[in-house]
Amino acid sequence: GEDVEQSLFLSVREGDSSVINCTYTDSSSTYLYWYKQEPGAGLQLLTYIFSNMDMKQDQRLTVLLNKKDKHLSLRIADTQTGDSAIYFCAETNLYNFNKFYFGSGTKLNVKP
Amino acid sequence: GAGVSQSPSNKVTEKGKDVELRCDPISGHTALYWYRQSLGQGLEFLIYFQGNSAPDKSGLPSDRFSAERTGGSVSTLTIQRTQQEDSAVYLCASSLGSPGAGYGYTFGSGTRLTVV
Repeated sequence: GEDVEQSLFLSVREGDSSVINCTYTDSSSTYLYWYKQEPGAGLQLLTYIFSNMDMKQDQRLTVLLNKKDKHLSLRIADTQTGDSAIYFCAETNLYNFNKFYFGSGTKLNVKP
Repeated sequence: GAGVSQSPSNKVTEKGKDVELRCDPISGHTALYWYRQSLGQGLEFLIYFQGNSAPDKSGLPSDRFSAERTGGSVSTLTIQRTQQEDSAVYLCASSLGSPGAGYGYTFGSGTRLTVV
């Protein structure tokens, strides 16, 4: 099956950059996504990248994809306390394009 | 509606009872998904509906779980004879198309089910 792995916790100080990492095993990934979940809420789509891209930037968010190493990262510049949440990496692929495979989530704690 | 609406937001039930969880997707979204999120875990795919096609039930963990989608809109997830391991947050999501075509999901806030 498709495995998507993330580290469980990340702690940063307000104003620093955060880098959340994700690895996956699927060679046929098409799109990779980042979702954010705040306490008591559903998941909110942050950004996504197509597998033939290396990088995508959207305001404070930068997504980097190393397809050779099957490594995806999400960089949040100037991290704020409001960025504290759980961040999920998700991938979809050519054979199961109707569903996502989610990682277990990285809990980001931003200290003031 | 403006977002995906799920009800109830919280449900406590006794072991062995049946429960029904409701999802009202965004109007016009043809795809609807149910996922389960257990404490400290990632999201587990349960079932997927797309238009009038037969649903993809490959993620349902046992025959105690079933779901239907009436009129291509509202969906109900039913869990029969609930067990304590069914305790989790059940998330519904809808989208205009497939993730594999670049369509992200819009998630509801979930139903927190506790089986005592």
